[in-house]
Amino acid sequence: DTAVSQTPKYLVTQMGNDKSIKCEQNLGHDTMYWYKQDSKKFLKIMFSYNNKELIINETVPNRFSPKSPDKAHLNLHINSLELGDSAVYFCASSQFNGSPHEQYFGPGTRLTVT
Amino acid sequence: AQSVTQLDSHVSVSEGTPVLLRCNYSSSYSPSLFWYVQHPNKGLQLLLKYTSAATLVKGINGFEAEFKKSETSFHLTKPSAHMSDAAEYFCVVSDNRGSTLGRLYFGRGTQLTVWP
Repeated sequence: DTAVSQTPKYLVTQMGNDKSIKCEQNLGHDTMYWYKQDSKKFLKIMFSYNNKELIINETVPNRFSPKSPDKAHLNLHINSLELGDSAVYFCASSQFNGSPHEQYFGPGTRLTVT
Repeated sequence: AQSVTQLDSHVSVSEGTPVLLRCNYSSSYSPSLFWYVQHPNKGLQLLLKYTSAATLVKGINGFEAEFKKSETSFHLTKPSAHMSDAAEYFCVVSDNRGSTLGRLYFGRGTQLTVWP
């Protein structure tokens, strides 16, 4: 049983295209996150949803739009892809009222924009 | 504001020798601290966590870390390195209060190389 899963694992696309990455967790957590990991391995939070409500929205281009249809899913849609969007995107989940808020990560989606 | 500094970007050890990965943190509140490991082309796996109970925390795969408030440090150690320990290690601090409750702040990572 995979706790946090992401699809696809690899995504290669051209500049200007629109793409989506899906994330699902079966841990019963109420909070989900999207992170971007750049080529130097630095992890930066992008978004967080708690019970389907957006609670963290970092300074990312508005071409990125998260959607949470329910507590177990958090998808990331990216419009008009640019070369700089190439990175590994990680989904994570946690129980917001738990302590100490450890997060469980998915395997990542490697996005390559050509 | 919360922040994490991993003092070494790369650490190399021989198999069977001790591992020390250094981490200093800055936190406005009593922090929660974590170490995560990332093997090549994999996601992040939680190694261990500090909550405010025991200052010496034991994790998986023989790793442990000691929370030292006076030094604002949370160094990761292992008595004897194994080839399978070669990976990227992230020290992480979490907000426990305030408007950013639950947010994680990652260090830049330490790449551990283990030589045979």
